[in-house]
Amino acid sequence: EIVLTQSPGTLSLSPGERATLSCRASQSFSSSYLAWFQQKPGQAPRLLIYGASVRATGIPDRFSGSGSGTDFTLTISRLEPEDFAVYYCQQYGSSPPFTFGPGTKVDIK
Amino acid sequence: EVQLVESGGGFIEPGGSLRLSCAVSGLTFSSYSMNWVRQAPGKGLEWVSYISNGRGSEHYYADSVKGRFSIFRDNDRNSLYLQMNSLRDEDTAVYYCATGIDNWGQGTLVTVTS
Repeated sequence: EIVLTQSPGTLSLSPGERATLSCRASQSFSSSYLAWFQQKPGQAPRLLIYGASVRATGIPDRFSGSGSGTDFTLTISRLEPEDFAVYYCQQYGSSPPFTFGPGTKVDIK
Repeated sequence: EVQLVESGGGFIEPGGSLRLSCAVSGLTFSSYSMNWVRQAPGKGLEWVSYISNGRGSEHYYADSVKGRFSIFRDNDRNSLYLQMNSLRDEDTAVYYCATGIDNWGQGTLVTVTS
């Protein structure tokens, strides 16, 4: 089973700042199967990035993903007020279980 | 517009059974693999189960539910199901269905309590 670790657990930033979120896997897998989700309280997760770096439909270009092997990064170039949320990475499609990371909370400093 | 609507959640005693449903519209349901994902109160996301597209011949389950939960689909009804047996306190969560990874429902709450 691939275990995903996310860091930091919480990121306290101000609007306009850059956010860099890390997702590290216990073993290497194809970047084609790494996704990032955003979740706000009381809402379902929203797909941001799939294939490690491809923005989903309607996702603003301030969100970008990168990485391969065991190390992946989600970057939000300039935080907007609506970006304060919890972010999860997930490995999917390679082999089950399709595990999620524990999440990174981005909150307002 | 793609819509996924879960139903069937509620209160259930430990050891009981529950069947969740997910009605899908706005896309060709049979073409999509489907997942169930859950989220315990105040916790992170946990993948629960996967079923392949078409006839759904491939099923996968998280170790935490293997042998107790069953996933199946009815393409004629554009619906996904999760049969949950031998429920435990730790199965308490909001259960989401998703088309692969991109479209999600709003979830249905399952509370296992005596």
